[in-house]
Amino acid sequence: DAGVIQSPRHEVTEMGQEVTLRCKPISGHDYLFWYRQTMMRGLELLIYFNNNVPIDDSGMPEDRFSAKMPNASFSTLKIQPSEPRDSAVYFCASNLQGYTEAFFGQGTRLTVV
Amino acid sequence: AQRVTQPEKLLSVFKGAPVELKCNYSYSGSPELFWYVQYSRQRLQLLLRHISRESIKGFTADLNKGETSFHLKKPFAQEEDSAMYYCALRGSGGSNYKLTFGKGTLLTVNP
Repeated sequence: DAGVIQSPRHEVTEMGQEVTLRCKPISGHDYLFWYRQTMMRGLELLIYFNNNVPIDDSGMPEDRFSAKMPNASFSTLKIQPSEPRDSAVYFCASNLQGYTEAFFGQGTRLTVV
Repeated sequence: AQRVTQPEKLLSVFKGAPVELKCNYSYSGSPELFWYVQYSRQRLQLLLRHISRESIKGFTADLNKGETSFHLKKPFAQEEDSAMYYCALRGSGGSNYKLTFGKGTLLTVNP
């Protein structure tokens, strides 16, 4: 398995535009997490899914953020409209229940200008 | 609610010196505690977990339930240890699989 795959690796967009970040978890993993990483706030959990169902979205900062997991092998995080303060690195991670380690993707570095 | 606190944003030591990265947590049940590491331009990866009581790359961490701490220690730091270190907590039981991280500590080991 190639591990958790995120795309794109880098995204630069203008304020007000819609941004979609994508994640492919490790095959067979039943948990998927979205995190945002900034210097000021560290690694914040935005939302996590279990068997494609959102379990806790209390970390989603605003209604501008939404996440979906239409199937076990794909998830998206959408920001609409984007703002400069959304600039950060967004990580996706997956986990298999009963196993300790969460595996992270390489991250998407988002810059909103 | 679960919370992880890493009081030091930055930590700088010289090669060969001991290093301790602090982590305190808040959780009402019995948590699982982890240390994750992120080397420059690489993805986060698990360093160690409290249930294993193992030593990885010379690092150890002991869970102190009385002080609600899980500090990461290494007796002799190496330059290749320079990285961002995150302490993480996962709740126990049922569907509580939420993995919460602290804000991280950037460790720099100087030659």
